Amino acid sequence: GIQVEQSPPDLILQEGANSTLRCNFSDSVNNLQWFHQNPWGQLINLFYIPSGTKQNGRLSATTVATERYSLLYISSSQTTDSGVYFCAGPYGGATNKLIFGTGTLLAVQP
Amino acid sequence: GAGVSQSPSNKVTEKGKDVELRCDPISGHTALYWYRQSLGQGLEFLIYFQGNSAPDKSGLPSDRFSAERTGGSVSTLTIQRTQQEDSAVYLCASSLSKVEAFFGQGTRLTVV
Repeated sequence: GIQVEQSPPDLILQEGANSTLRCNFSDSVNNLQWFHQNPWGQLINLFYIPSGTKQNGRLSATTVATERYSLLYISSSQTTDSGVYFCAGPYGGATNKLIFGTGTLLAVQP
Repeated sequence: GAGVSQSPSNKVTEKGKDVELRCDPISGHTALYWYRQSLGQGLEFLIYFQGNSAPDKSGLPSDRFSAERTGGSVSTLTIQRTQQEDSAVYLCASSLSKVEAFFGQGTRLTVV
């Protein structure tokens, strides 16, 4: 089954700065999601992005399935962007369970 | 329902007791997942249900853990003879087959 690696593990930004988070997969995926876990522990869906590019306000994501990676862009960061960002993809084979990366802990300082 | 619902939100139990955690998936979703998240850690896969197929139980950490999904809808995760290391947030998610998954708010389990 696939393995998922995220980088960087930690990131500190000043409010207003931009950032790029990366997710690498050990094998090709046809189903990739980005989540934001807020300080209360709730997992919020950001993007479902098997391939291509999507944008939602200050956030955008790009998945290059053939090269087995996905990027999450955060522009003009705000303190409310703080939390942990996870990417996840299907394990593959006979099971479609989602495998999560270890996450990127983002702290946006005012 | 409008979203994935989990109950209870918080559960404090004594070591050695059994607990049941409930997950109500989004109506019509055929896939259901359980994960566990210990403090400051990532998401640990526990079990996956897909339609009428046999569940993928490969993530259950011991035989004290079991889960069932009745009628293809509500799921219950049962932990028998709880131990302190079982303390964590237990998260449930549901999806249509092989597409976007949505999570509930989780159940915070504390074993004292």
